[in-house]
Amino acid sequence: EVQLVESGGGLVQPGRSLKLSCAASGFTFSDYNMAWVRQAPKKGLEWVATISYDGSSTYYRDSVKGRFTISRDNAKSTLYLQMDSLRSEDTATYYCARRTVFDYWGQGVMVTVSS
Amino acid sequence: IQMTQSPSLLSASVGDRVTLSCKAGQNINNYLAWYQQKLGEAPKLLIYNANSLQTGIPSRFSGSGSGTDYTLTISSLQPEDVATYFCQQYNSWNTFGAGTKLELK
Repeated sequence: EVQLVESGGGLVQPGRSLKLSCAASGFTFSDYNMAWVRQAPKKGLEWVATISYDGSSTYYRDSVKGRFTISRDNAKSTLYLQMDSLRSEDTATYYCARRTVFDYWGQGVMVTVSS
Repeated sequence: IQMTQSPSLLSASVGDRVTLSCKAGQNINNYLAWYQQKLGEAPKLLIYNANSLQTGIPSRFSGSGSGTDYTLTISSLQPEDVATYFCQQYNSWNTFGAGTKLELK
């Protein structure tokens, strides 16, 4: 059974950093592109970043470029999102998802950016 | 690419045939997916490539369309279908529509 389990969320002050993790199981992690998608409270879905199966290519939405870094450790079947210079508008539930068409999602982890 | 969903809220009765619309700002070449999100849960993939049913999804769900205009149809609405439905284009990066909230009348 495919499972994606996010961790690392919480309350953080504006300008600070946070690193999210997503532990994958039930499939060959190194075969798949992976992504982060977020959802602000009571809002719609917003793609954040994607990383290729081997980590060689990364893609970001404009609003997070230069602040967020997506990475992966295929030996540990884990996806990461390093978030620096956080802003209030980054407040959201962050989901990790498999592939470009997001066929499996984690349960999500809440990130609140507030002073 | 801007994705526009309509209506934003839809009320229907059990057994009704329900149609949700999604319009892209430009041709997305059928690179269109539909997701269902129930309250407090992660989204679930229903349809990909505009009309391909994801494994395990009931056959009452179907997708159609081409070019810029796409439709998700539920042939006979069930109580468990109450949710918000999002479309997503993946022809050029990824963008989602704002969603259609489906409720029971």
